[in-house]
Amino acid sequence: EVQLVESGGGLVQPGGSLRLSCVASGFTFSAYSMNWVRQAPGKGLEWVSYISSSSSTIYYADSVKGRFTISRDYAQNSLYLQMNSLRAEDTAVYYCARDRSRSYPDYWGQGTLVTVSS
Amino acid sequence: QSVLTQPPSASGTPGQRVTISCSGSSSNIGSSTVNWYQQLPGTAPKLLIYSNNQWPSGVPDRFSGSKSGTSASLAISGLQSEDEANYYCAAWDGSLNGYVFGTGTEVTVL
Repeated sequence: EVQLVESGGGLVQPGGSLRLSCVASGFTFSAYSMNWVRQAPGKGLEWVSYISSSSSTIYYADSVKGRFTISRDYAQNSLYLQMNSLRAEDTAVYYCARDRSRSYPDYWGQGTLVTVSS
Repeated sequence: QSVLTQPPSASGTPGQRVTISCSGSSSNIGSSTVNWYQQLPGTAPKLLIYSNNQWPSGVPDRFSGSKSGTSASLAISGLQSEDEANYYCAAWDGSLNGYVFGTGTEVTVL
């Protein structure tokens, strides 16, 4: 069974940093690209970042470019999102999602809430 | 920000058919496949339709998808109370190099 479990969310002040983690199980992690997608409270879904299976290709949404960094650890079957210079508008539930050939994310984690507030 | 446009709401009585539209552009729907997600309150999105009209395992065929040009649609036949949820379309955007999602449609069963 495919499982994705996010962690690392919490309350952080504007300008602060946070690192999200997503542990994958039930599939060959190294064979799949991965995504981060977020959802602000009461709002729709917003794609944040993509990393290819080999980590050779990385994309970011313009809204986070230069502030967020996606990475993965194959030994730990883990996906990460380092978030710096956080703003109030980054407040959201962050989901990690497995990718299928840049066609569709199929499996999603349960999400982790990030709140940016003073 | 959402690049794909959906109606904010749709509704129907049990057993009815409901259709949700999704409008995009040549850089996303026009050149990629469309996917649909169902999100029940307080839960993560669940893949409902992929590659325009394919069902993941376990999704009932009451849900169907189609695509034409730069638009797509999701149809729910035989509407049931458990279909009350938010529905999002999505596609890869070759200009943005990322996924774009629809604005979301809240389906209510009357």
